[in-house]
Amino acid sequence: NAGVTQTPKFQVLKTGQSMTLQCAQDMNHEYMSWYRQDPGMGLRLIHYSVGAGITDQGEVPNGYNVSRSTTEDFPLRLLSAAPSQTSVYFCASRLDNSPLHFGNGTRLTVT
Amino acid sequence: AQKVTQAQTEISVVEKEDVTLDCVYETRDTTYYLFWYKQPPSGELVFLIRRNSFDEQNEISGRYSWNFQKSTSSFNFTITASQVVDSAVYFCALKLSNFGNEKLTFGTGTRLTIIP
Repeated sequence: NAGVTQTPKFQVLKTGQSMTLQCAQDMNHEYMSWYRQDPGMGLRLIHYSVGAGITDQGEVPNGYNVSRSTTEDFPLRLLSAAPSQTSVYFCASRLDNSPLHFGNGTRLTVT
Repeated sequence: AQKVTQAQTEISVVEKEDVTLDCVYETRDTTYYLFWYKQPPSGELVFLIRRNSFDEQNEISGRYSWNFQKSTSSFNFTITASQVVDSAVYFCALKLSNFGNEKLTFGTGTRLTIIP
C-alpha cells in the first residue's frame, strides 16, 4: 500500500492562476480531508468527505473547492489563487474510527 | 468551540535528558479523542497516540509516555532519554467523537530540538 499520496510536492503559482492539488489513497478509507498548515497556527481543516459523493466545509473553506467522485481520490481546487493561500497542504484519510493518516504534504507558494 | 493550547513554542534539551511537552485542551463535550502527532524536519505528519476521553490510563511506549488528566484538561507527552532523532515539531490535537464531526483541532505545535 502506498498510503496517502499527494502531488505535486511543490508548486509556485501566480495570483489568479488555478490549479488542483491531487490526493489519492489506496487503503479504501471512507473519510478524507484537507488541512492547511501555516506558521504559528497549527493545521486547519479546509474541506472533508465522509464518502464518495459527499463533501462538506471545514474551518477555512473559502477559495477552495473539492469533489469526491471515487473513494480513492479527493482533489483540492484553487480557482483563483491568492497570496493568502501560500501554505503547506496536507491530505488525510481514515477508516471508521481510526486515526488520520496524512500524506507528505504539498508546499504551495502564490506570488 | 474546541481549543488546544501548546504553550511551549520551542524547547531545546541536551541528548539523554528527559523532556515533557505540555498540552491543554478546552471542550464542553464529554466524549472526545486526543492525539499527538510528530512532524520531523522532512515534513510528514506521523501519528503517535490517540486517547479516548473515557480512558485516563497513562500509556508508555518505549521512551514515550503520555499523561492524560481530565481534571486539568491536560494530555502531556514525555520523552525519556531523548535522542537526536526526536528533534521535530510535535502537535497535540482534539477531535469530538460525535458522528459526522471530522474536524481535528490542532495546537500550534512545540518545536523540540535535541542537542547532541
